[in-house]
Amino acid sequence: AQTVTQSQPEMSVQEAETVTLSCTYDTSESDYYLFWYKQPPSRQMILVIRQEAYKQQNATENRFSVNFQKAAKSFSLKISDSQLGDAAMYFCAYRSAQRDDKIIFGKGTRLHILP
Amino acid sequence: DVKVTQSSRYLVKRTGEKVFLECVQDMDHENMFWYRQDPGLGLRLIYFSYDVKMKEKGDIPEGYSVSREKKERFSLILESASTNQTSMYLCASSPPERTGFFFGQGTRLTVV
Repeated sequence: AQTVTQSQPEMSVQEAETVTLSCTYDTSESDYYLFWYKQPPSRQMILVIRQEAYKQQNATENRFSVNFQKAAKSFSLKISDSQLGDAAMYFCAYRSAQRDDKIIFGKGTRLHILP
Repeated sequence: DVKVTQSSRYLVKRTGEKVFLECVQDMDHENMFWYRQDPGLGLRLIYFSYDVKMKEKGDIPEGYSVSREKKERFSLILESASTNQTSMYLCASSPPERTGFFFGQGTRLTVV
């Protein structure tokens, strides 16, 4: 069975600095998708960034980028120029490309932004 | 924009009550999901559905059932609510292509 591990329950970063959130996963599949979701205090889960396993190029969305290391099964999220609005719980997630396409979530990392 | 709407943000129910959590999506998505979220445990899948009248058990289905009579609506049912079902419940939907899930705003259920 696939698993997703986020080893950092909480992190803090100074406003305008860069922070990296770690995620590792375990799977025997070769075709899958990886996601980072953000859950602010409002509770609405928001998709931050998505990576297809077959793509070697790391996904980027404005200040958010990933470091996808397929062989190491690592999928870290880098937030550049951190802003107060980035404070949230961040979840790493895995989704198989197969028919049974539920998403498996890590336990989350709570990110604090220090003014 | 895709909209996934959960009927209540906050709900308080008594032990033993039958509880219905409703979720509606407006983008004709085939796939719908119910997760519960607890501190330190992340999101755990309760049930999911690929199509109308179809349902599949997730990782923690015990004490829950679901109903999907129409494509846009996916209901989670707590047959006899218990205090250990106090939690945040999140509904999600997704299209067949793997673009990710769209979540509702969550229902915080307290069972007293």
